[in-house]
Amino acid sequence: AQSVTQLGSHVSVSEGALVLLRCNYSSSVPPYLFWYVQYPNQGLQLLLKYTTGATLVKGINGFEAEFKKSETSFHLTKPSAHMSDAAEYFCAVSPANTGGFKTIFGAGTRLFVKA
Amino acid sequence: GAVVSQHPSWVICKSGTSVKIECRSLDFQATTMFWYRQFPKQSLMLMATSNEGSKATYEQGVEKDKFLINHASLTLSTLTVTSAHPEDSSFYICSATGTSGGLTYEQYFGPGTRLTVT
Repeated sequence: AQSVTQLGSHVSVSEGALVLLRCNYSSSVPPYLFWYVQYPNQGLQLLLKYTTGATLVKGINGFEAEFKKSETSFHLTKPSAHMSDAAEYFCAVSPANTGGFKTIFGAGTRLFVKA
Repeated sequence: GAVVSQHPSWVICKSGTSVKIECRSLDFQATTMFWYRQFPKQSLMLMATSNEGSKATYEQGVEKDKFLINHASLTLSTLTVTSAHPEDSSFYICSATGTSGGLTYEQYFGPGTRLTVT
């Protein structure tokens, strides 16, 4: 079975500061890992994903995440926060043997960016 | 990237009525579509997976007779909430994946439909 734990339902950073959103997963088979962003009353937008290969994954809007198998983690980072980054972020896991489509989402972390 | 639309974006209906939500893939053939439900300030919960031309597969605890899913074409899936009740009020999001021109598309999400049952 797969599960996702996002540490911290709310994270607040100052504009220009480092963004770190934590995600740990549990999977009995090799996982695909995803980070999505959701703005109010909108659907989800894929930020980045890990399937195979390089463990440091770069996504859109300056975000990146590193797959650490030994720590079962896939934390999302961005060196310098912008006001426009304020949104809800979801980490998700999917078994690789489903083609990445049987997706289990974490509870989400709301990012606040202070001016 | 590929575009998935949903219609309507929001709907208010009276208790006991049924409401249909459409999910369309605009520029690719969606062989598989997913329906999620999201309660306020919570995560997405997968309700069902539908493959074009076959019956949907529902997740445990989701009433198939209440949430009717039809995936009759490669670009359209519909979710009908039958005999809606206030507890069915939620944000419903679809996603789609498929192939086009030999490429396999990742899962693209629609913008969601806000259902309020009064």
